[in-house]
Amino acid sequence: SSELTQDPAVSVALGQTVRITCQGDSLRSYYASWYQQKPGQAPVLVIYGKNNRPSGIPDRFSGSSSGNTASLTITGAQAEDEADYYCNSRDSSGNHLGVFGGGTKLTVL
Amino acid sequence: QVQLQESGPGLVKPSQTLSLTCTVSGGSISSGGYYWSWIRQHPGKGLEWIGYIYYSGSTYYNPSLKSRVTISVDTSKNQFSLKLSSVTAADTAVYYCARGYSGYDYYFDYWGQGTLVTVSS
Repeated sequence: SSELTQDPAVSVALGQTVRITCQGDSLRSYYASWYQQKPGQAPVLVIYGKNNRPSGIPDRFSGSSSGNTASLTITGAQAEDEADYYCNSRDSSGNHLGVFGGGTKLTVL
Repeated sequence: QVQLQESGPGLVKPSQTLSLTCTVSGGSISSGGYYWSWIRQHPGKGLEWIGYIYYSGSTYYNPSLKSRVTISVDTSKNQFSLKLSSVTAADTAVYYCARGYSGYDYYFDYWGQGTLVTVSS
């Protein structure tokens, strides 16, 4: 399968912890990456690989994986974390084909 | 710091070919290790991977677009380009270029700001 499935919307109270999930067969073989996108802006990579953060990404963002599910966790969510989040990985065919999840809208209450 | 910048027409007529160029600065396409990518986002929708090219010229395309897509690279100008033929209104989207890595890790670490392309007569 070349699909990655995300919940369309998730909410979290300010300062609390939230987990955003991504499911797909390819995640059994390859790591997911995660992107934050705010309105009118390009996506920004926040997590890649086993659990790597690019420079400048706060350490409240972390990633994990189990079986066919990858997760992005925000520990102590801030108002500025309200955004759309997309997961991404390789297609399970073994070729270098990419696939994105449908995105999760995170609301910080 | 790698930077990418898309350029090209913002309006394309139906049935014509959409052509965009991405100029890379702060890093060389020829240095290898990365896949130079095009990704699009329909208005109000999610991200769609279009395809990418390695500096050697190897290309990989989304199967749903493969018959209409060509991605090429000009290492002398440190640019890569997208051509999408026979466009329709369904190809109206923001088009992003990005630098990608493909291994057990798979990610796009640098993105252009995106350019809106509207398909309309």
